[in-house]
Amino acid sequence: AQTVTQSQPEMSVQEAETVTLSCTYDTSENNYYLFWYKQPPSRQMILVIRQEAYKQQNATENRFSVNFQKAAKSFSLKISDSQLGDTAMYFCAFAHGSGNTGKLIFGQGTTLQVKP
Amino acid sequence: GAGVSQSPSNKVTEKGKDVELRCDPISGHTALYWYRQSLGQGLEFLIYFQGNSAPDKSGLPSDRFSAERTGGSVSTLTIQRTQQEDSAVYLCASSLGLKGRYEQYFGPGTRLTVT
Repeated sequence: AQTVTQSQPEMSVQEAETVTLSCTYDTSENNYYLFWYKQPPSRQMILVIRQEAYKQQNATENRFSVNFQKAAKSFSLKISDSQLGDTAMYFCAFAHGSGNTGKLIFGQGTTLQVKP
Repeated sequence: GAGVSQSPSNKVTEKGKDVELRCDPISGHTALYWYRQSLGQGLEFLIYFQGNSAPDKSGLPSDRFSAERTGGSVSTLTIQRTQQEDSAVYLCASSLGLKGRYEQYFGPGTRLTVT
């Protein structure tokens, strides 16, 4: 069974600094998708960034980028120029790439606090 | 356009009572998912619906949990004889399709408290 592990329950960063959140996963599949979701105190889950496993190039979305290491089954999120609005819980998630299921398997989350 | 909506936003119920949680997906989205988020925990998959196909109920924790999706749109998650361990935030998500490549859009969730 697929598992997703986030080993950092809490992290903090100074505003404008860079922070990296870690995620590892376990799967025997070759085709899958990885995601980072943000959940602010409002509870609304927001997709931050996604990575398709068959793409070697790391995904980037403005200040957010990932370091996807397929062989190591690692998928870290880097937030550059951290802003106060980045304060939230961040979840790493896995989805199968084949078959008729898109259900997400989530890690336990990392609470990030951006300090002024 | 309108996003995924859920009601109620918060629900407090007594142990042993039944509750119904509602989810309105984004119009045109054929796939609908329910997840549960216990306090300080990650999200746990419960069930999904895709069009007229049989739902995948593999994540439902017990037979006290059931869900239906009427007319391929609105979904209701029902918990019978609620227990304190059912206290959690229940999140609904919808997407254009069932495969992993489709982005899931989440609702704001229903916080259920069982006293």
